[in-house]
Amino acid sequence: QLQLVQSGAEVKRPGSSVKVSCKASGGTFRGYTIMWVRQAPGQGLECMGRIIPIIGVPDYSQNFQGRVTITADKSTSTAYMELSSLRSEDTAMYYCTRDLADHGLDPWGQGTLVTVSS
Amino acid sequence: QYVLTQTPSVSGAPGQRVTISCTGSSSNIGAPHDVHWYQQVPGTAPKLLIYGNSNRPSGVPDRFSGSKSGTSASLAITGLQAEDEADYYCQSYDSSLGGVVFGGGTKLTVL
Repeated sequence: QLQLVQSGAEVKRPGSSVKVSCKASGGTFRGYTIMWVRQAPGQGLECMGRIIPIIGVPDYSQNFQGRVTITADKSTSTAYMELSSLRSEDTAMYYCTRDLADHGLDPWGQGTLVTVSS
Repeated sequence: QYVLTQTPSVSGAPGQRVTISCTGSSSNIGAPHDVHWYQQVPGTAPKLLIYGNSNRPSGVPDRFSGSKSGTSASLAITGLQAEDEADYYCQSYDSSLGGVVFGGGTKLTVL
């Protein structure tokens, strides 16, 4: 059964970048789409963008266009999300999840807390 | 702020039935695009609860059910249990925005 395992918590300075990884365990990415979702403290879920690892072409949400870069290494079944020009409002939990389209988003990674603080 | 609209909070006593609504528009739920529901227990990742408007993944109790009509969808929980206390999110796809959209979430309190 596929599990998504994310990298650990990060503390970053304003203006810097962060790169979070998401590795498939118990399976591979195959032809699936991997999506990144952000959740600010006490807030709801927000799609950042997604990628089909075997193709490698990302698709970004408008709110993050220009600041987010989503990549994937199909040889290791690992997806990455890099967010640049960090500001305090980027402090949030970041999740990766598999987009099954009409079957929803499943499973989800455990989340990676990114804290932006000077 | 969120494309799909959910009531911020709902509550019920153990054993009761509650419903959580999700209202969208003609470019998402009414397009029609499927609605999916997620349960998020505080401190944990979201978990798929209902997919394709009304289907339960394996392992989800039949106390949870989903429905859709026009530009709205609903999640019903019967026989409320203390462990159901969580945040619930609806999700769909929006043709105008060209991407996945979520509701703002509904906090369920079991009294």
